[in-house]
This record gives sequence, structure tokens and C-alpha cells, in this order.
Amino acid sequence: ETGVTQSPTHLIKTRGQQVTLRCSSQSGHNTVSWYQQALGQGPQFIFQYYREEENGRGNFPPRFSGLQFPNYSSELNVNALELDDSALYLCASSPDGGYEQFFGPGTRLTVL
Amino acid sequence: GEDVEQSLFLSVREGDSSVINCTYTDSSSTYLYWYKQEPGAGLQLLTYIFSNMDMKQDQRLTVLLNKKDKHLSLRIADTQTGDSAIYFCAEARFGNEKLTFGTGTRLTIIP
Repeated sequence: ETGVTQSPTHLIKTRGQQVTLRCSSQSGHNTVSWYQQALGQGPQFIFQYYREEENGRGNFPPRFSGLQFPNYSSELNVNALELDDSALYLCASSPDGGYEQFFGPGTRLTVL
Repeated sequence: GEDVEQSLFLSVREGDSSVINCTYTDSSSTYLYWYKQEPGAGLQLLTYIFSNMDMKQDQRLTVLLNKKDKHLSLRIADTQTGDSAIYFCAEARFGNEKLTFGTGTRLTIIP
């Protein structure tokens, strides 16, 4: 059984650019959550997708947006990148009705 | 709102027990989790406990929950060098919804 995978592993962008991060959920998991982990901090919830619909959002501005596809994989898009967007972006998947979230290895985004 | 607090650092001698503590503020927290993060890696789910439980044991790991004081602890028996990592406590009101994490406790093992 393949776990949660994320791509790319690392990414460097400049301020003002746009970025798309990708996540493939674990087999059989239809819920995907995204988290931002700044250096030295705990992960902060960005939003969650369930069956292709946004199902809860944290305290992040609208320039953070997402998508979930029919195969339950997901994208996180960030527009107008700011220096403070530099962080590890983590994706987690969970099964319908489950209470455990399983995390991918993350994408390290650096904004210069 | 929800808030989860942890001490930042813990050093333990190899072979001793490690106890990592966490407090949370949301009395509606139903699910409480411990995750492990090794350098440059994602989060590994170690164990979880429901709010109607006081204790859960899983091999070397023991979780204790004091719901009245909103205090959660993780005990790692016979701590090994491979246990060196950052440990995060997290809570959720409902299963499968957003997790609120603490700032993490960095566990260092002294040989």
C-alpha cells in the first residue's frame, strides 16, 4: 500500500510568483488536509478537501487555494508569494469516517 | 479558540524513560494525538487517545490523559537513540477534521 506522496520535494520561488504543490492520498483515502509548518513551529491547518469540496479552512488568506480531483489527489496553489510563505507544506490523507491523518513527507518552499 | 502548549526541549539518557507533556485549552477536544517528526521529514502518527480514556499503552509508548486538567503526556520506555526527534501533540474536536498542533518538543538522547 502506497502512502501519501507529495511533489516536488523542494521549490524555490521569488516574491510575487505563484506556486502549485501536489499531493497523492493514500489508497482508499478520500479526505486530504493541507498544513503549513514554518521553521521551528507546529503545523498550521490551511484547509481540507472531502470528495472534491472544501470542507473547512484555517486562518489563511484567499491567495491560498486548493483543488481535489476525482482520484482524491489534491493541489495547493499559492498566488502572490510572500517571504513569510517560506515553509514546509504538509499534506495528510484520511479515510471516510476515520480519525487518523497520515502525512506525506512535505514540500519545502523557499521564497526569495 | 484552541491552543496547545508543549515544552520546547527534553534531554534523556539512553535507556531511561522519556515523558513529554502537553496541555490544551479546548474542552471539546475529543481526539488527542502524538506525532513524531525526524529532521527533514513529515509527521509520523505514533498513537492517539480518545477523550473518554485515561490511558493507552502501545509497546514502549504510554499515553496518559487528565481531562479535568486538560493535560496529555507521552511516556517512551527504554529510550533509544532512534527516538531522537521532535514530538508534536495535536487535538481535534471530531475525527477527520483539522488538527491543532503544539509547537513540538525536541527530544535529545544522551548516550
